[in-house]
Amino acid sequence: LAKTTQPISMDSYEGQEVNITCSHNNIATNDYITWYQQFPSQGPRFIIQGYKTKVTNEVASLFIPADRKSSTLSLPRVSLSDTAVYYCLAGGAGNMLTFGGGTRLMVKP
Amino acid sequence: GAGVSQSPRYKVTKRGQDVALRCDPISGHVSLYWYRQALGQGPEFLTYFNYEAQQDKSGLPNDRFSAERPEGSISTLTIQRTEQRDSAMYRCASRHHEANEQFFGPGTRLTVL
Repeated sequence: LAKTTQPISMDSYEGQEVNITCSHNNIATNDYITWYQQFPSQGPRFIIQGYKTKVTNEVASLFIPADRKSSTLSLPRVSLSDTAVYYCLAGGAGNMLTFGGGTRLMVKP
Repeated sequence: GAGVSQSPRYKVTKRGQDVALRCDPISGHVSLYWYRQALGQGPEFLTYFNYEAQQDKSGLPNDRFSAERPEGSISTLTIQRTEQRDSAMYRCASRHHEANEQFFGPGTRLTVL
């Protein structure tokens, strides 16, 4: 399982785009990159998953460069309710998850 | 219900007692995972099942921890002779065999006095 490194915390303001970058230098060929979101007192919630290039869903976009050694989660026009911890994970799709410390995003009015 | 449920939601016990934590996965989900989460940290993998078979228990801290899923649905995580260091949030997740997303339950907050 590839180790991931991401910023401990980030601040943003409502309406801004937030980009959280995660590095995973030792990612394996069959590893996927997955992002989960966790609000206080709740379990983690799946946001997005990708293998390479760009993936977009109704919540976020995930950008993965060709070397796959990093990835960027992009949250468009954040609101106060996007304040949460965001976890970047690299591992086999569908396997058990290895969480790091995550990035604590604070969205301010 | 539609989601993963766990019971009890809160458990306070005295050191040395045994506790059993229950997870009821989403109906039809083949895979079931147990994690432990300390305050301010990400969840830590404990063990997982496909149907009733325990596939990986490498994350269980020691032999006081065990888990079962006898009929491939509800699972129980048992901690024997609890210690104060076992205090944490214990989370269960389930996954459909045709998808990668894990759905997490609300967790059981265990406090060992």
